[in-house]
Amino acid sequence: DSGVTQTPKHLITATGQRVTLRCSPRSGDLSVYWYQQSLDQGLQFLIQYYNGEERAKGNILERFSAQQFPDLHSELNLSSLELGDSALYFCASSAETGTRSDTQYFGPGTRLTVL
Amino acid sequence: QKEVEQDPGPLSVPEGAIVSLNCTYSNSAFQYFMWYRQYSRKGPELLMYTYSSGNKEDGRFTAQVDKSSKYISLFIRDSQPSDSATYLCAMRESGYSTLTFGKGTMLLVSP
Repeated sequence: DSGVTQTPKHLITATGQRVTLRCSPRSGDLSVYWYQQSLDQGLQFLIQYYNGEERAKGNILERFSAQQFPDLHSELNLSSLELGDSALYFCASSAETGTRSDTQYFGPGTRLTVL
Repeated sequence: QKEVEQDPGPLSVPEGAIVSLNCTYSNSAFQYFMWYRQYSRKGPELLMYTYSSGNKEDGRFTAQVDKSSKYISLFIRDSQPSDSATYLCAMRESGYSTLTFGKGTMLLVSP
């Protein structure tokens, strides 16, 4: 158990809908990262938050947004869902950012199915 | 050319074999190198973490980094059926948190 929690485990929804995925980082970690994993693209970095502020952006679509709250949990919002958004979404957390000891620990993921 | 290349496998070996998993990369600024293990439908689990070139050993696992060749390896000795999983290499630049992952190699260890 990495200490990172994600809810829900599974999500089934229809095209055009909006969903929210939730992540709680390990105790003491200030950084939260979101990744999308699909069979053809592998694990793709979406976005990072550090202590409530956006720190880095990866291949995140404009239909997707995220935020990190004062208690450090984070939410990833996916809107106008398309079939191609079906994937595993992982959250990871780390204590610091960019330093030598910075290590990311992953949650169990949310499996999103868009029908 | 992708930043990180990794053979997807599957790699099938008998129990007890020595396994070699590899990644090549193109970004010479990568300084930190990691190997994650991912069981089916689970989150990636950090196995090994190395800085710059050299070797690091942890039990049956050895990670090697050759920055001159832009090549990293993970060796698994005395492989077990429980090692059957997908192994992902990941790397990042100094001063940055963002990880770049390989697509992963599926390993199957048969009893």
